Amino acid sequence: GAVVSQHPSWVICKSGTSVKIECRSLDFQATTMFWYRQFPKQSLMLMATSNEGSKATYEQGVEKDKFLINHASLTLSTLTVTSAHPEDSSFYICSAQQTSGSSYEQYFGPGTRLTVT
Amino acid sequence: AQSVTQLGSHVSVSEGALVLLRCNYSSSVPPYLFWYVQYPNQGLQLLLKYTSAATLVKGINGFEAEFKKSETSFHLTKPSAHMSDAAEYFCAVRYSGGYQKVTFGTGTKLQVIP
Repeated sequence: GAVVSQHPSWVICKSGTSVKIECRSLDFQATTMFWYRQFPKQSLMLMATSNEGSKATYEQGVEKDKFLINHASLTLSTLTVTSAHPEDSSFYICSAQQTSGSSYEQYFGPGTRLTVT
Repeated sequence: AQSVTQLGSHVSVSEGALVLLRCNYSSSVPPYLFWYVQYPNQGLQLLLKYTSAATLVKGINGFEAEFKKSETSFHLTKPSAHMSDAAEYFCAVRYSGGYQKVTFGTGTKLQVIP
């Protein structure tokens, strides 16, 4: 149980285009999802916290107009990279927090590799 | 504020040798602590977590970690390294209670030498 999927697993896009990444909790409901970014050989940096039905909370330094987050249902959050540029190339990982009972376990998706040419 | 420090970005051990990956945390309140493993081009897999119960935590794949409040440490160990243990390991911390963001360490790449 507690599986999180991401789609696509990798994507290549041209500079100036937008890319949408989906994060789904497959067998549990997640009122909170998190989006991370990981540069090569570096740690995960939290970009934003996404709460179902409300606006996402962005970390300092993350452009909310560039990284659009939508969490319309208890099992789906999307991250849209708008007007992508080569510096946006990175590994994007989401996690979903299971809030049933007293558990606040976070489960991570497999990640999405974005390459902007 | 909360943070974790992982000493050593790269650790090499021989197959069959003890694995010790170090993690020290900083937190103004009792923390939850985690160790995750990441294989190339994959997401994170939880190895084990400390949530204020037993200080010695056993995880998957033979790993364990001990929470030492006096040393503010949560080092990860495995008695005998296996080739399949080669991966990146991340220590992470978050405040206990409620939903809170997780702060990750910079990671330690474990190399296992045959």
